[in-house]
Amino acid sequence: GAGVSQTPSNKVTEKGKYVELRCDPISGHTALYWYRQSLGQGPEFLIYFQGTGAADDSGLPNDRFFAVRPEGSVSTLKIQRTERGDSAVYLCASSSGSGSYTDTQYFGPGTRLTVL
Amino acid sequence: AQKITQTQPGMFVQEKEAVTLDCTYDTSDQSYGLFWYKQPSSGEMIFLIYQGSYDEQNATEGRYSLNFQKARKSANLVISASQLGDSAMYFCAMRGPNTGNQFYFGTGTSLTVIP
Repeated sequence: GAGVSQTPSNKVTEKGKYVELRCDPISGHTALYWYRQSLGQGPEFLIYFQGTGAADDSGLPNDRFFAVRPEGSVSTLKIQRTERGDSAVYLCASSSGSGSYTDTQYFGPGTRLTVL
Repeated sequence: AQKITQTQPGMFVQEKEAVTLDCTYDTSDQSYGLFWYKQPSSGEMIFLIYQGSYDEQNATEGRYSLNFQKARKSANLVISASQLGDSAMYFCAMRGPNTGNQFYFGTGTSLTVIP
């Protein structure tokens, strides 16, 4: 079966522009997560969806970041007025959504965002 | 607060030898899960192995095993019979009932397998 897919794999944009990053989770997974990974660091949590709703958005750094999952499957992470500090790899993960702490998350290949 | 510490930024191992990657954690949760992921240069995080805090036996998955010492709050990954394809970044992560639904990751260990 297909794993988590993310598009685009690379995105280069200019400071101040708007970008959208897409994530397609594993079929049947109700939980979806976005993480951001800076160079030399582990992934940092941004937002978690259970179904269509954002159950936890405590990791979003500011109001320039927003994510949606309108039909409970594909999710889009949206960044407004990009800044150079937003440059990072954005990782998406999905899980079965059992809610248990044993629920393993499976990651996509990431989108490398570069803000010039 | 949850915290994962990986103190080895880089490790080298000879092909076919075993290697241990260290991970310590800090949590006030009684129940939690510990996970190891591999991240090759392609960037994808690949799930390797899971250990539950109440599991009595150390987890094993093929050449991967987890040396879980609950009292010391350590969950070291052991890779046996290293292969060139094992060269990658390795991340330890934790999740508990009080962490919400996010994983907390360490800073990772870069493993290089030498032929």
